[in-house]
Amino acid sequence: EVQLLESGGGLVQPGGSLRLSCAASGFTFSNYAMTWVRQAPGKGLEWVSTISGSDITYYAKSVKGRFTISRDNAKNTLHLQMNNLRAEDTAIYYCAKGSRWLRVWGQGTLVTVSS
Amino acid sequence: DIQMTQSPSSLSASVGDRVTITCQASQDISKSLNWYQQKPGKAPDLLIYDGSNLETGVPSRFSGSGSGTDFTFTISSLQPEDIATYYCQHFDNLPYSFGQGTKLEIK
Repeated sequence: EVQLLESGGGLVQPGGSLRLSCAASGFTFSNYAMTWVRQAPGKGLEWVSTISGSDITYYAKSVKGRFTISRDNAKNTLHLQMNNLRAEDTAIYYCAKGSRWLRVWGQGTLVTVSS
Repeated sequence: DIQMTQSPSSLSASVGDRVTITCQASQDISKSLNWYQQKPGKAPDLLIYDGSNLETGVPSRFSGSGSGTDFTFTISSLQPEDIATYYCQHFDNLPYSFGQGTKLEIK
């Protein structure tokens, strides 16, 4: 069974950093692009970042220069390093398998940016 | 960047009703559009891909159509378990933006 499990969310002060992880299982992780999507409380879905199977990265303008997506194919794990966090980054962060067609999603991890 | 305009933002309908949601892209995206369903407290699920293809395991009452800039998502006969928020998302070129969502409620 294909599964994604996010971790690393929590409460952080504005300007702080957080590193999210997404543990993948049930598929050949290195063969697939992976994506982060976030959802602010009570709001819609926002595409955040995608990394290809060959480590090419893409970012939303709202996070470019502050967030870094990476992958560890040996550990089947996706990461999102988030620096200089702002209140507007408060959201549930989902990892998803793929880039164009997001067929499998994790359960999400909540990031709260507040003083 | 391509903008996706989804309407309506909310919709109330009765069980058995036909429900239609539209999504308009700010430029031609061919058939590069997906529809997702998100139930409260859950992650989204892919229902329709490439504009009109039904994802495996999704009931046939769900359908999608359209190409270019105008797309439609239809539930042919609304069921109680269809209560959710529905999102379109293009994948023509990055960033793959989502529509604002349509919250569907039972009347």
